[in-house]
Amino acid sequence: QKEVEQNSGPLSVPEGAIASLNCTYSDRGSQSFFWYRQYSGKSPELIMFIYSNGDKEDGRFTAQLNKASQYVSLLIRDSQPSDSATYLCAVDRNEDYKLSFGAGTTVTVRA
Amino acid sequence: SAVISQKPSRDICQRGTSLTIQCQVDSQVTMMFWYRQQPGQSLTLIATANQGSEATYESGFVIDKFPISRPNLTFSTLTVSNMSPEDSSIYLCSVVGGGTNEKLFFGSGTQLSVL
Repeated sequence: QKEVEQNSGPLSVPEGAIASLNCTYSDRGSQSFFWYRQYSGKSPELIMFIYSNGDKEDGRFTAQLNKASQYVSLLIRDSQPSDSATYLCAVDRNEDYKLSFGAGTTVTVRA
Repeated sequence: SAVISQKPSRDICQRGTSLTIQCQVDSQVTMMFWYRQQPGQSLTLIATANQGSEATYESGFVIDKFPISRPNLTFSTLTVSNMSPEDSSIYLCSVVGGGTNEKLFFGSGTQLSVL
């Protein structure tokens, strides 16, 4: 079992719709969770982090965490063509900043 | 967040040769890491670059293949030694920063192609 698993996609959504990305992790003791956005040919950019169960909103992004189900998700509301990228889920299992990454979900927003 | 610069941004190398990648940060950082992103895959941690001591390598990575230096709190190098086509990847320097709410940030990356 991989440490962090994501839907590989690609996920195609129309402009203005909600994009929903899912991530599961294997280590039940993990405490910190991150979402990075990576444009083609660029390095990953941190867009969200969440530590507690529930929802965390930042602009058009909402991260959701359910530690009992070992599940973290990212919602992108009012999707824009500029949101087209690969989204990486990352987990800090041991609180040492050594992140384990999922394979990423590629999102395409259709104008 | 810190500004993290990597050099070179890309290179094409012959098998059997070595390449040294530089990572420069615009502020002192305690924790610095090197990641690899192979084509179509996600990021894999290579090692933690420790200031003033030997790097700490993750499973599957060894010092002879990926020697790392960190002479101070703003600079590190990663060398990819005796390269083969399987080493073709993006290599990323990352640091922990962000003030009181610290997070992991990435440099601009080095795209390496080995022929």
